[in-house]
Amino acid sequence: DTAVSQTPKYLVTQMGNDKSIKCEQNLGHDTMYWYKQDSKKFLKIMFSYNNKELIINETVPNRFSPKSPDKAHLNLHINSLELGDSAVYFCASSRTMTDLYEQYFGPGTRLTVT
Amino acid sequence: AQTVTQSQPEMSVQEAETVTLSCTYDTSENNYYLFWYKQPPSRQMILVIRQEAYKQQNATENRFSVNFQKAAKSFSLKISDSQLGDTAMYFCAFISNRDDKIIFGKGTRLHILP
Repeated sequence: DTAVSQTPKYLVTQMGNDKSIKCEQNLGHDTMYWYKQDSKKFLKIMFSYNNKELIINETVPNRFSPKSPDKAHLNLHINSLELGDSAVYFCASSRTMTDLYEQYFGPGTRLTVT
Repeated sequence: AQTVTQSQPEMSVQEAETVTLSCTYDTSENNYYLFWYKQPPSRQMILVIRQEAYKQQNATENRFSVNFQKAAKSFSLKISDSQLGDTAMYFCAFISNRDDKIIFGKGTRLHILP
């Protein structure tokens, strides 16, 4: 049983295109996150949703827009892709975000912009 | 498939004490990286320390050190002279050298008590 799943696992696209990455969790968690991993393995939080409500919105370009149709899904849409968007994007979920709770991470989506 | 296990969901120690967080992993690969990340309530993931599997010497970063036992597939984190600011979730992570895939443990909640 996959707890947190992401699709696609690999995404290769050209500059200027618009793409989406989907994330789903089957854990019944209230909170979901998107992280971007840079080449030095540092994970930077981008967004967090709690019960479909945007809670954390770090300084990311407006081209990135999260969408949460229900609390089990948090999709990441990226407009006008740029070379610097190439990275691995991780989705994660936790039961709540009011305290330090364990997080379950998805397998990651490797985005390559050419 | 690779797995990462953190067997301690939660730990509490007094300030200035030394604490060890355990992590075990399973892989059939010989070349890989291991990381410890710290996650404060802001949900950012801060890289604490990294270890290359081909290096026998244990990595050290100021008050943080690891005990890397490759044969036993163990990678514990020792925090010396613990400080209140060390209170956070700590995630152990495995990164394959073959496909750069990152696998996280579920985290250990560490409380440093005054």
